[in-house]
Amino acid sequence: GDSVTQMEGPVTLSEEAFLTINCTYTATGYPSLFWYVQYPGEGLQLLLKATKADDKGSNKGFEATYRKETTSFHLEKGSVQVSDSAVYFCALISGNTPLVFGKGTRLSVIA
Amino acid sequence: DAGVIQSPRHEVTEMGQEVTLRCKPISGHNSLFWYRQTMMRGLELLIYFNNNVPIDDSGMPEDRFSAKMPNASFSTLKIQPSEPRDSAVYFCASSPLTSSAGELFFGEGSRLTVL
Repeated sequence: GDSVTQMEGPVTLSEEAFLTINCTYTATGYPSLFWYVQYPGEGLQLLLKATKADDKGSNKGFEATYRKETTSFHLEKGSVQVSDSAVYFCALISGNTPLVFGKGTRLSVIA
Repeated sequence: DAGVIQSPRHEVTEMGQEVTLRCKPISGHNSLFWYRQTMMRGLELLIYFNNNVPIDDSGMPEDRFSAKMPNASFSTLKIQPSEPRDSAVYFCASSPLTSSAGELFFGEGSRLTVL
């Protein structure tokens, strides 16, 4: 079945460091890909998405590019802030099945 | 606009007691999802509804769990009897389109502790 694999955390970075969180997927057909973010004590919220190969999703300084050839959707940010500390989930949807989430990667940014 | 509203935010109960979690989806959304989140198992989809009809409940752990959606603006997740291993954060999410959209709006969750 469809699945998402993302790097295990926790990831700890200093403020203004570059962030990469790796995500790869396995899916039949042509999935849409998503990154969700969960801030402490809150529910998940959509961060960005890409619906076809080579699309780049972006929001709040975060970017991810849909790479069909490597089945990847890595999340990047050039300069992280303390306020970016959260858990990040990669997810996909394909056909009529519900969203499939990865296990999440916890990011801690220290000042 | 109001988001997805869940209640209670926190529940502490004793093993064997009945627990009812409630969810009000965003008005106009026609898909509703119940998830469970634990440190060990991550985020698990329990059940989802389209237009108030349960579509897939294969994620419901066992017969002690049941979910209903009597109308477009309300859903419940019930655990009877509760057990300590049910301790988790339960999230409700809704979507304005069918499940294929992938854009879910989550509530703030109900943290359940079963002693």
